Amino acid sequence: KAGVTQTPRYLIKTRGQQVTLSCSPISGHRSVSWYQQTPGQGLQFLFEYFSETQRNKGNFPGRFSGRQFSNSRSEMNVSTLELGDSALYLCASSLAVELFFGEGSRLTVL
Amino acid sequence: DQQVKQNSPSLSVQEGRISILNCDYTNSMFDYFLWYKKYPAEGPTFLISISSIKDKNEDGRFTVFLNKSAKHLSLHIVPSQPGDSAVYFCAARTLKTSYDKVIFGPGTSLSVIP
Repeated sequence: KAGVTQTPRYLIKTRGQQVTLSCSPISGHRSVSWYQQTPGQGLQFLFEYFSETQRNKGNFPGRFSGRQFSNSRSEMNVSTLELGDSALYLCASSLAVELFFGEGSRLTVL
Repeated sequence: DQQVKQNSPSLSVQEGRISILNCDYTNSMFDYFLWYKKYPAEGPTFLISISSIKDKNEDGRFTVFLNKSAKHLSLHIVPSQPGDSAVYFCAARTLKTSYDKVIFGPGTSLSVIP
């Protein structure tokens, strides 16, 4: 059974640009969550989608947005990138209690 | 407001001995607690979970203990192996739809010394 797939794995952007990250969940999983990991900050919750609806949102500015498609695939977008947005962005899918994570997208903002 | 706390940023243990990782939480509404292991440049891997109605759950070398009155849980790894060296995250989840999200602690870096 294929795991959670995130693309791209690595990307470099400059301040002011925007970025879109993609996540394909495990087949059958309808819940997709996004997390940001920065050094010393652990995993910070961004948002969670279920059946194309955003159910919960973390404390991030409006520059961070996401969506989920009918096939449960999800994308997140960050507009007007700032240096502090450099992080590992993790996507996780869930069927019940446990979250299953992808390998992440490493974003570097220069 | 940090709802899930891991007060030890790092821990070193000799191979073969017991590793004990601790976690505290503040919200009594959590239904489940989970432990994840993370290697650098990889996503977190689920290890073990425990329901809030239980006080112990065991899976092979991993045991999680929950003390609800103290709002404290711990992960025991016995015996510790060098391959266990990683960052361990404690997480908590409530399944109430309007507030369903998984909150992670800051992590504890475990080093198992051969």
